[in-house]
Amino acid sequence: GAVVSQHPSWVICKSGTSVKIECRSLDFQATTMFWYRQFPKQSLMLMATSNEGSKATYEQGVEKDKFLINHASLTLSTLTVTSAHPEDSSFYICSASRAGPTDTQYFGPGTRLTVL
Amino acid sequence: GEDVEQSLFLSVREGDSSVINCTYTDSSSTYLYWYKQEPGAGLQLLTYIFSNMDMKQDQRLTVLLNKKDKHLSLRIADTQTGDSAIYFCAERRRPGDSSYKLIFGSGTRLLVRP
Repeated sequence: GAVVSQHPSWVICKSGTSVKIECRSLDFQATTMFWYRQFPKQSLMLMATSNEGSKATYEQGVEKDKFLINHASLTLSTLTVTSAHPEDSSFYICSASRAGPTDTQYFGPGTRLTVL
Repeated sequence: GEDVEQSLFLSVREGDSSVINCTYTDSSSTYLYWYKQEPGAGLQLLTYIFSNMDMKQDQRLTVLLNKKDKHLSLRIADTQTGDSAIYFCAERRRPGDSSYKLIFGSGTRLLVRP
């Protein structure tokens, strides 16, 4: 159990467009979902934490209006990168936990975003 | 501070044991985790240890925790080529602290030679 999927696995878009990435917990209900960003050969950097039905909590330095997060159900969270620019190109990984932010996190396979 | 540090690279021969080390700075950490990341993929939870434990063994994996030195290690016995990946340690701080997020190390790239 504890499988998390992401869609799409990779996406290429033009500068100025918006891209939506989905994160789903397939076999459990996720009270909390997390969005991370990973640059090449670097560690994961937490962008935001979202609880189902409430607004996401963003980490310092992460623009709320640029990275829109919606956690509409216990199995789905979405990250929308608005007006994407080449510097937004990165590997975006989500994770989900059953019982809140202090529970074990299970990670999705990641989405590679390339902005031309 | 928030630093979790790991050595960048480890190369071992197939069949040997691998030991990946990690140091952390926050003594209030409750859980410490090891994750594995294969190329182009997300993170796979390998194992975790609660901060009041010294050791945890799970098949080929042994986790050792030295709380005094804030040192965590992952030992992989009989290392196989399929174990080649990047290994991240992560610490989680005590519940109730606003910083409940996972803090990840920079990752250790393990290369297993045939």
